[in-house]
Amino acid sequence: EPEVTQTPSHQVTQMGQEVILRCVPISNHLYFYWYRQILGQKVEFLVSFYNNEISEKSEIFDDQFSVERPDGSNFTLKIRSTKLEDSAMYFCASSGRVYEQYFGPGTRLTVT
Amino acid sequence: SQQGEEDPQALSIQEGENATMNCSYKTSINNLQWYRQNSGRGLVHLILIRSNEREKHSGRLRVTLDTSKKSSSLLITASRAADTASYFCATDAYAGNMLTFGGGTRLMVKP
Repeated sequence: EPEVTQTPSHQVTQMGQEVILRCVPISNHLYFYWYRQILGQKVEFLVSFYNNEISEKSEIFDDQFSVERPDGSNFTLKIRSTKLEDSAMYFCASSGRVYEQYFGPGTRLTVT
Repeated sequence: SQQGEEDPQALSIQEGENATMNCSYKTSINNLQWYRQNSGRGLVHLILIRSNEREKHSGRLRVTLDTSKKSSSLLITASRAADTASYFCATDAYAGNMLTFGGGTRLMVKP
């Protein structure tokens, strides 16, 4: 069964460093998303991507964040200068025409 | 903004019993989806119900939707210890839209 994959599973970085989180969505899906979940809190929407551009973004998704779909299969989230409060589990999701969103296993980002 | 809020926040039952979790939201929706999350793991999609549907079944899962009350329920029948997890509802306002998640119900099924 097709699934969304994410790498790495755990990333530890120092405050101020750049990180890139990678995702491979399900191959025939059209919509791509990033969400995050701070430990013990709700899952929060960051950004959605459709037709090679951002379609929606939340207040969390400020200038420090960017997304790319560089090669038609990967979907990346970049955080330019990480802060302690960026520590969270980051989930990639994708959906096709049925609009069920399928989530990857997540990348746990720890900023020290 | 729309919000899904689950009730109860925590539920503990014995294996074999049924578990019912409820979700309420505030604004009009297109779809409502239920997800399961095992501790520290990813979100597993369980079921999607559209705003024009009232009930949907998938295996031991039964989901209802009442748009007049802006609420949904997830029933897990004949629960198993492996059903122990957090369950979240998530709503979207239109196709391809972001999902807004509730705070989840932590379900513990005791063997």
